[in-house]
Amino acid sequence: GNSVTQMEGPVTLSEEAFLTINCTYTATGYPSLFWYVQYPGEGLQLLLKATKADDKGSNKGFEATYRKETTSFHLEKGSVQVSDSAVYFCALRKGNFNKFYFGSGTKLNVKP
Amino acid sequence: DTEVTQTPKHLVMGMTNKKSLKCEQHMGHRAMYWYKQKAKKPPELMFVYSYEKLSINESVPSRFSPECPNSSLLNLHLHALQPEDSALYLCASSLTELAGGRGTDTQYFGPGTRLTVL
Repeated sequence: GNSVTQMEGPVTLSEEAFLTINCTYTATGYPSLFWYVQYPGEGLQLLLKATKADDKGSNKGFEATYRKETTSFHLEKGSVQVSDSAVYFCALRKGNFNKFYFGSGTKLNVKP
Repeated sequence: DTEVTQTPKHLVMGMTNKKSLKCEQHMGHRAMYWYKQKAKKPPELMFVYSYEKLSINESVPSRFSPECPNSSLLNLHLHALQPEDSALYLCASSLTELAGGRGTDTQYFGPGTRLTVL
């Protein structure tokens, strides 16, 4: 079936550190891949997405590349800020319907 | 306006109570979704409405009853819930239920209703 596996958190970093949050997926064919972010007390917001192999999604300094050969979509940011503290969800969408399969989420804490 | 609003923010109810959660969007989206999110878990899809008709019910117990009175509004009626139903209930919307073109697969989420069942 379709599933997403994310690294367990929490991840604690100092401001300006490099961030990587790992995400791998299981799905047949070519799913679309997403990163959503959930700030405290808020709903999920789309951060970035990629719809085919080797696509790179990017937004607000975050990047992720769709790697078909390793079935991965790791999230990276070169220099995190305190305001990036949130829970990050990797997700896939398969087929024509907007049905998402979410990973378990990774909490990021950024300290000043 | 890319906002999905949900009321109430918090709700505490007993197992014999009847209550409703409300979700509203004014983006012209024709697909709306209910998700349930337990602590430290990902959102789980419960229902999908497409053009005000129920499209997907993910085998949700009948004590949860969704309703879509118009294209902007989505309700979730709750009756005879169990303590294990305590969770964050998220509403989302997208342009359509089908992901076919630019931006059509983006779901916009509300902030959720935190439900506690005593």
